Amino acid sequence: DAKTTQPPSMDCAEGRAANLPCNHSTISGNEYVYWYRQIHSQGPQYIIHGLKNNETNEMASLIITEDRKSSTLILPHATLRDTAVYYCIVRVNGTASKLTFGTGTRLQVTL
Amino acid sequence: KAGVTQTPRYLIKTRGQQVTLSCSPISGHRSVSWYQQTPGQGLQFLFEYFSETQRNKGNFPGRFSGRQFSNSRSEMNVSTLELGDSALYLCASTSSLGQGNHYGYTFGSGTRLTVV
Repeated sequence: DAKTTQPPSMDCAEGRAANLPCNHSTISGNEYVYWYRQIHSQGPQYIIHGLKNNETNEMASLIITEDRKSSTLILPHATLRDTAVYYCIVRVNGTASKLTFGTGTRLQVTL
Repeated sequence: KAGVTQTPRYLIKTRGQQVTLSCSPISGHRSVSWYQQTPGQGLQFLFEYFSETQRNKGNFPGRFSGRQFSNSRSEMNVSTLELGDSALYLCASTSSLGQGNHYGYTFGSGTRLTVV
């Protein structure tokens, strides 16, 4: 699985959009970009994933660059409950392919 | 529907003992994976089971083992516990390993194991 690079920490004011970047310059053509988050003392929570098109669901939007070497997770209106560690993972979908977690980005949402 | 259930939530064991952790996946999910999370190493993949067969294995010593039952429930076992095995052990389930798997993994809340 390709490696990812994320900033170690970010701050965001409540109500503002949180934009979390991720670099995955060695991504392969059949690898998807997945985002998970882990709120303190809980298991990671799936947020969203995509291959090459931008994706949106009830939690977030995922913007993938045309060359697929980087992506951005957008939380449109961050709340205090979005404070968590966010992990960007690239993975071949299907098959027995594990999730390789990096160190993630610790997002702190403040009042 | 019920989420992924891990038992027990907390466990304290002594060095040299063995421990068995249990994971019940979401109903209908046939794949179960296990991860170890420590402050120093982060989240690391242990193994994945699908239809009672181990399909993938991480880089852990043979003291770490697992199995999956016909109802998809899974157990992992750690023998001859070491202090460094103290960690949060997380279980995750997903519906399949094939191309139909587009919904990611659902994780349980984990079992926090302390070895003293």
